[in-house]
Amino acid sequence: DAGVTQSPTHLIKTRGQQVTLRCSPKSGHDTVSWYQQALGQGPQFIFQYYEEEERQRGNFPDRFSGHQFPNYSSELNVNALLLGDSALYLCASSGNLGGVKNIQYFGAGTRLSVL
Amino acid sequence: GQNIDQPTEMTATEGAIVQINCTYQTSGFNGLFWYQQHAGEAPTFLSYNVLDGLEEKGRFSSFLSRSKGYSYLLLKELQMKDSASYLCAVPIMIYNQGGKLIFGQGTELSVKP
Repeated sequence: DAGVTQSPTHLIKTRGQQVTLRCSPKSGHDTVSWYQQALGQGPQFIFQYYEEEERQRGNFPDRFSGHQFPNYSSELNVNALLLGDSALYLCASSGNLGGVKNIQYFGAGTRLSVL
Repeated sequence: GQNIDQPTEMTATEGAIVQINCTYQTSGFNGLFWYQQHAGEAPTFLSYNVLDGLEEKGRFSSFLSRSKGYSYLLLKELQMKDSASYLCAVPIMIYNQGGKLIFGQGTELSVKP
């Protein structure tokens, strides 16, 4: 049973460019959440997708957008990249029946470096 | 709002016991998670507490006191492979469905021989 998979593992971009990160959830999961983790910090919630809709958004600008596909996979898009966007981007998947008790399972992340 | 505090770093000796503390302030409480994250890897689930008391799972135990807004993770018989960051997180309900996790900054544990 494959866990949460993310691609690519590493990415280098320059300021002003756009990036798309991808996530496939764990089998049987229908909810995908995205987090940004700066070096030495805990992950910060970006947004969550369920039934192809953004369910809630954290304190991130509109440059951060996402999408969920019918197969529950998801993409995170970041436009007009800034140096401060350099971070590890984590995707987490969960089921939906247990509410907040649902365990979120994380992928290994995409390390984004903005030069 | 929500606030979660953990020590930034801890050091312990192989074979010893270490306790990693976490204090939280949240509007509403839906339990508390602990995750382990090795450098460059995914956070992995360790425990979830929603009731007061100690829950033991092998060498790892997690404790919760809701009245004190306090939790700890207890690691026994430390091994070198336990060197990692330990993340405390509380889930916040989203429209009565699912939850987003609010994390502390993580505690970097170094286990020395």
